[in-house]
Amino acid sequence: QKEVEQNSGPLSVPEGAIASLNCTYSDRGSQSFFWYRQYSGKSPELIMSIYSNGDKEDGRFTAQLNKASQYVSLLIRDSQPSDSATYLCAVNMMDSSYKLIFGSGTRLLVRP
Amino acid sequence: EPEVTQTPSHQVTQMGQEVILRCVPISNHLYFYWYRQILGQKVEFLVSFYNNEISEKSEIFDDQFSVERPDGSNFTLKIRSTKLEDSAMYFCASLTGPMNTGELFFGEGSRLTVL
Repeated sequence: QKEVEQNSGPLSVPEGAIASLNCTYSDRGSQSFFWYRQYSGKSPELIMSIYSNGDKEDGRFTAQLNKASQYVSLLIRDSQPSDSATYLCAVNMMDSSYKLIFGSGTRLLVRP
Repeated sequence: EPEVTQTPSHQVTQMGQEVILRCVPISNHLYFYWYRQILGQKVEFLVSFYNNEISEKSEIFDDQFSVERPDGSNFTLKIRSTKLEDSAMYFCASLTGPMNTGELFFGEGSRLTVL
């Protein structure tokens, strides 16, 4: 069974620190990798996508991909209390159609 | 900014009743999805839909579930005879970008409570 694994947390960091979130996936054929943020009771909100090995930066967010290790990470610099949410890693699976499979999410708590 | 809209935001129903959840995907998107999230659990794929037919469905999407796009704008999920375990948030999503690397954008969700 194709899986996406995340540590459930909570990951607690002080305001202003770097939060590091990690994800591993089982399908070596995956090409597309996404990070979504989900506030309690709300829908997933796309914050980053990454397709190639290496780093991709967007504001305070950096996504890192290592396909050889089947590992994706998200760094949040200068963490703010408003970043407190569950962060979902999603990976494409190409079975009979394109779809995303989600990890169970890591809950991030940024302490003021 | 274009968005995926879903109705109702919350529906309470009795076990055994039929429920229809509605979604209006982003207008120029062609590939649509339903996902569900049971409280405290992961977001799970239910079904993908393209060119007016199901592309793929998960094991969860049994004979009690159906989808259709009746009028070219709405995209509906029907549960024929609801069970207690169908209580969840149901998210509609549509795909932007290439069909092998695109991004999914989600609606706000419909919370279904089965009593």
